[in-house]
Amino acid sequence: AQSVAQPEDQVNVAEGNPLTVKCTYSVSGNPYLFWYVQYPNRGLQFLLKYITGDNLVKGSYGFEAEFNKSQTSFHLKKPSALVSDSALYFCAVRDMEAAGNKLTFGGGTRVLVKP
Amino acid sequence: GAGVSQSPSNKVTEKGKDVELRCDPISGHTALYWYRQSLGQGLEFLIYFQGNSAPDKSGLPSDRFSAERTGGSVSTLTIQRTQQEDSAVYLCASSLKLAGDETQYFGPGTRLLVL
Repeated sequence: AQSVAQPEDQVNVAEGNPLTVKCTYSVSGNPYLFWYVQYPNRGLQFLLKYITGDNLVKGSYGFEAEFNKSQTSFHLKKPSALVSDSALYFCAVRDMEAAGNKLTFGGGTRVLVKP
Repeated sequence: GAGVSQSPSNKVTEKGKDVELRCDPISGHTALYWYRQSLGQGLEFLIYFQGNSAPDKSGLPSDRFSAERTGGSVSTLTIQRTQQEDSAVYLCASSLKLAGDETQYFGPGTRLLVL
């Protein structure tokens, strides 16, 4: 079985400050990990992924995430948040060794960046 | 290039009616997925198509839900005898089927309201 936890329903941060959105996962095998962002009344937009290789992954719009196998975490980070980063963020996992290809999503974290 | 498209963008129906939701995947993507996003349940996997293989239907919530994919491209999700609890945003995604790169790209969704 595969699961994802996003422990914070909402994160508030001032513009220009660092932003962190937390994600922990559970899989039987090795994980594929993804971050998506959703703006109001829009679909999910891909930000970045970890498949293999470097633990620090860089993605769109200045976002990055660090894969930590020992802590089973994949936290999303941005050094300097913008008001336009305000949105709903989803972490997702797929077990590489599992049959099928479905993603399991966390419950989402709403980010509010205040000017 | 064109992304995943879905139609209609919004659908209001009466309880007991059947509805059909359409998804056009990214050209060349062999894998297609349906997910449901609702307030109480978050993002749930529904069904997955890969090429000519039998679909993974493990996420369909009841036998009122069915989906087909014609010609390996367009997919239709059908909900028969709709219930109020079917109200949700239905998201379609597509991906290539390449080991190590199975990023799912999402459409804008169909917002279904069952009265």
